[in-house]
Amino acid sequence: QSVLTQPPSASGTPGQRVIISCSGSSSNIGSNYVSWYQQLPGTAPKVLIYRNNQRPSGAPDRFSGSKSGTSASLAISGLRSEDEADYYCAGWDDRLNGWVFGGGTKLTVL
Amino acid sequence: QVQLVQSGAEVMKPGASVKVSCKASGYTFTKYDFNWVRQATGQGLEWLGWMNPNNGNTGYAQKFQGRVTMTRDTSINTAYMELSSLRSEDTAVYYCARAERNGDIDYWGQGTLVTVSS
Repeated sequence: QSVLTQPPSASGTPGQRVIISCSGSSSNIGSNYVSWYQQLPGTAPKVLIYRNNQRPSGAPDRFSGSKSGTSASLAISGLRSEDEADYYCAGWDDRLNGWVFGGGTKLTVL
Repeated sequence: QVQLVQSGAEVMKPGASVKVSCKASGYTFTKYDFNWVRQATGQGLEWLGWMNPNNGNTGYAQKFQGRVTMTRDTSINTAYMELSSLRSEDTAVYYCARAERNGDIDYWGQGTLVTVSS
């Protein structure tokens, strides 16, 4: 049971916009930054979004992040086949004194 | 460029200990914290703990308290994670991951598969 809650799956067709949600609490998302990671099959996670909505250099601008209260979301616009991957949200939890992750969302491009 | 290169796969017996290394390059080793995260096959990410390589301070997830130890050797820019009293449920890929102090995890190592089997 993950501390942050994500839908287990999401899907869309090429060109569509997909949103993945991440729900937490006042001790994690509500008081700290949220980051998002993309994990392609057989590889390590890679940061897509940090500090709620910042993109590192190299991350496509089709990916955007937002946060409101104790929830966050990752939006992917102009969906491409190469976006098919697992996506994880993460943040620091002040009560647990550690990093917490969502259970991951498997994105399928139909 | 920032790189975190981990040691190779390990096969361990139940009850044994494993020590995984993570060699950093491309940045000042002591300026970023190390986190260790594991992932069992087909499962999500699970955080084990963090270490400040500047002073050696650590913080461990309650689940792993007493079984995990994180250390570093600043002379060779390498962080270590040792997990003891291994059981089959510890079979997973273990990742080291860099984090800004009071910031986000940004770079990840390539992962080390640890298999616990009799």
